[in-house]
Amino acid sequence: GQNIDQPTEMTATEGAIVQINCTYQTSGFNGLFWYQQHAGEAPTFLSYNVLDGLEEKGRFSSFLSRSKGYSYLLLKELQMKDSASYLCAVDDDYKLSFGAGTTVTVRA
Amino acid sequence: IAGITQAPTSQILAAGRRMTLRCTQDMRHNAMYWYRQDLGLGLRLIHYSNTAGTTGKGEVPDGYSVSRANTDDFPLTLASAVPSQTSVYFCASSETSGSTDTQYFGPGTRLTVL
Repeated sequence: GQNIDQPTEMTATEGAIVQINCTYQTSGFNGLFWYQQHAGEAPTFLSYNVLDGLEEKGRFSSFLSRSKGYSYLLLKELQMKDSASYLCAVDDDYKLSFGAGTTVTVRA
Repeated sequence: IAGITQAPTSQILAAGRRMTLRCTQDMRHNAMYWYRQDLGLGLRLIHYSNTAGTTGKGEVPDGYSVSRANTDDFPLTLASAVPSQTSVYFCASSETSGSTDTQYFGPGTRLTVL
């Protein structure tokens, strides 16, 4: 089976940086995705990592270590609109297995 | 605007009733998926289709069936609904079933089974 762990909740201040960790144990690995989901809405794609290292995309960056089964999503210069759930998903056998999601609350 | 539509937006259903959730995409994507999302459990794959005419079982297929008669439509049927099927259901699609292809999600259907 798949085991994907991420913290349930995180709180941070507007303008700050938050790092959301994701650890995984899966039978296969074809890449790792991060999605953002605002309350009551559909998940939307943020990033994809398949090789070790950091992928930077504006205020958001994602890191992967395949040997450690570990990824993180880094959100910089937090804005109120970043309050959402962040979902870590591992592509195993060309199907996605999702973590339960991390709810990030940004406070003024 | 291209994308995925789902219907209905929400539904309250009596246990034992049959229900079909509709999903249509206009991006000509080959692969389509059905997930359910429950608090604390995240998204779980119910069924998928890599291309029109083929379907496969995901992590939680029991009590659900799907069909893929054409590229655009991927309906999910609950033959006899039970309260444990109360959930938010998301349909998604991707260009192919390949690992690098991003999945795009529909707006979801909130289903309550009483």
